[in-house]
Parts: sequence; C-alpha cells; structure tokens
Amino acid sequence: GAVVSQHPSRVICKSGTSVKIECRSLDFQATTMFWYRQFPKKSLMLMATSNEGSKATYEQGVEKDKFLINHASLTLSTLTVTSAHPEDSSFYICSAIRDFPDWEQFFGPGTRLTVL
Amino acid sequence: AQRVTQPEKLLSVFKGAPVELKCNYSYSGSPELFWYVQYSRQRLQLLLRHISRESIKGFTADLNKGETSFHLKKPFAQEEDSAMYYCALSAQENTPLVFGKGTRLSVIA
Repeated sequence: GAVVSQHPSRVICKSGTSVKIECRSLDFQATTMFWYRQFPKKSLMLMATSNEGSKATYEQGVEKDKFLINHASLTLSTLTVTSAHPEDSSFYICSAIRDFPDWEQFFGPGTRLTVL
Repeated sequence: AQRVTQPEKLLSVFKGAPVELKCNYSYSGSPELFWYVQYSRQRLQLLLRHISRESIKGFTADLNKGETSFHLKKPFAQEEDSAMYYCALSAQENTPLVFGKGTRLSVIA
C-alpha cells in the first residue's frame, strides 16, 4: 500500500514553545490530509482537514490559532502546536487520501508529543 | 450525526475459536464502512472495506443496513490477530473517517 510518513516520531518540548510535525505522502499526491489526535486508550479524534492550497477546516472545539496547519504541497502537510502546554501532550496522527485507483486513507505512524 | 459504536473494549478468545468484533453505526445516508487494525507499535492500516467485499487475513464483515451493523468475523482466531481493531465510517469519498473507540482483541494460545 501507499506510505505516509510523519516526522518527528517523538518530541519533548518545554511549555510555551512551538512544535512542528510534518506529514508526507511518499508515493502519491494527496490534496486532502487529515490530522487526528489520540488520547490514551481512546479513539482517534479528528482535529482538522488539511486541503492543499487552501485553509484548513477545523473541527468544533479545536483552536485554529493554536494548531496551525499548512498544506503547501501535494505531498506535505504540517501541524504546528503553538505555545504548547502540558495538556497538549498527546499522540498526533495524520492521514492522507489517495484518490486513484480507489480512494483510500493511509495513516502515518503518529507523533508522540510530550510537553513538560 | 455520524457515530460508530464498538461496545467491547476488550475481547479475549482462545486460538482457533471464532471471533466476532461488533460495530454499529448511526448515519442517515448510505455510508461506507471500514475496519482498521493497529498491531502493537505499528500504524493504523486498512483491514477491509465493505464495498470491496474481500476477505483479508480470514476476516470478513457484512454490512447490515437493517441493523446498522458491520461486525467483523473470523472463524478461527490466530495469535497474530491480537491487535486493536477500529470500525470506521465515511459519509462520502474524501471525507474524514469517524472512528469507533476500538476493541482490543487478545488471542490466547
């Protein structure tokens, strides 16, 4: 199947700093990518839809100024957690949609963010 | 609103026993249903989708619109089937998936 990568896989930062997470579709182009957040022993919660060349669409309750999303190319979307706080510590997962031959979502391996 | 319910957090079965992971959904239209699997320390990966009607790794799932269910079944569980299983729904192509809370399957030797 197609491959989606995330970088970094794990990051630890101090409270108040910003962290950027990259999501790349390695062997296909993705006009649409999604960012999810997964809490321990919980399901995936959709944060936002990232559309190449346009603004991201955020789910209700997700602060767009805190979680900045940039989808500058057909293979890269970035999530920046600004002014991180300990409650932002979580597992962030991206997925990318491949349209051909059949549409399918492929998931990245996730990024573990720990804010001290 | 779209909702996916997986009533079991944990399901333990013996090797060789049949497995059924339950999934019910709520959606007024015609959704597409999926099962995703996450093995230990690995990413989520698609196991099967209802429109393809394939059997992957011995697993099958039938969409029952009357009962709004999409239960995952396998006649004989194997130890390597131990993983986290998520049922998911999509209203249409290119829309985000709505996930259930997941069921952890543990196959005991």
